[in-house]
Amino acid sequence: EAGVAQSPRYKIIEKRQSVAFWCNPISGHATLYWYQQILGQGPKLLIQFQNNGVVDDSQLPKDRFSAERLKGVDSTLKIQPAKLEDSAVYLCASSRHREAGELFFGEGSRLTVL
Amino acid sequence: GQQLNQSPQSMFIQEGEDVSMNCTSSSIFNTWLWYKQDPGEGPVLLIALYKAGELTSNGRLTAQFGITRKDSFLNISASIPSDVGIYFCAGQLGAGGTSYGKLTFGQGTILTVHP
Repeated sequence: EAGVAQSPRYKIIEKRQSVAFWCNPISGHATLYWYQQILGQGPKLLIQFQNNGVVDDSQLPKDRFSAERLKGVDSTLKIQPAKLEDSAVYLCASSRHREAGELFFGEGSRLTVL
Repeated sequence: GQQLNQSPQSMFIQEGEDVSMNCTSSSIFNTWLWYKQDPGEGPVLLIALYKAGELTSNGRLTAQFGITRKDSFLNISASIPSDVGIYFCAGQLGAGGTSYGKLTFGQGTILTVHP
């Protein structure tokens, strides 16, 4: 089965610019996650979707970050405007259902903000 | 929120040696998981533990879910060069509350294996 697909793999922008990341989860997986991983740290959950509804976005900086999963499949994470501290790898993951801790991760999108 | 303390932060070992790392939390988790991350890749699940006291093996890997539900450890026996990477523990809460299903990760243990 195909894994979690993410794009772009790398993005370099200047501060105050905007960026968007795309994720296509494993087919049939109801739960989709966006994690932020800063260099040298473990992944930190930004937002969790169950189908197309938001389950948890308590750690999403909502003044600049937004995410959507309109049809319960693909998802987009947007940052506008970007700050230097947003430089990180943005990981998308999916699981069959909310109860399952067995997350399948994509390769990540590495963002550098100059 | 929940925080996981993972130790050691890094390990340098010789090929063939055994490795042990652990994770502790101030919170109780219903599920403990161990992931491995290679450079430029996303984390990959190694072992999942669902019951307090559970001991589970996956090849040369063995992990245990602590009785108090606040800790877990991972052992790797007879290490080989491809074991190099970053190992993350993760805890998941059970049903009830807005954090249901949320996975919290530790800071990671960087493993280097010298041939």
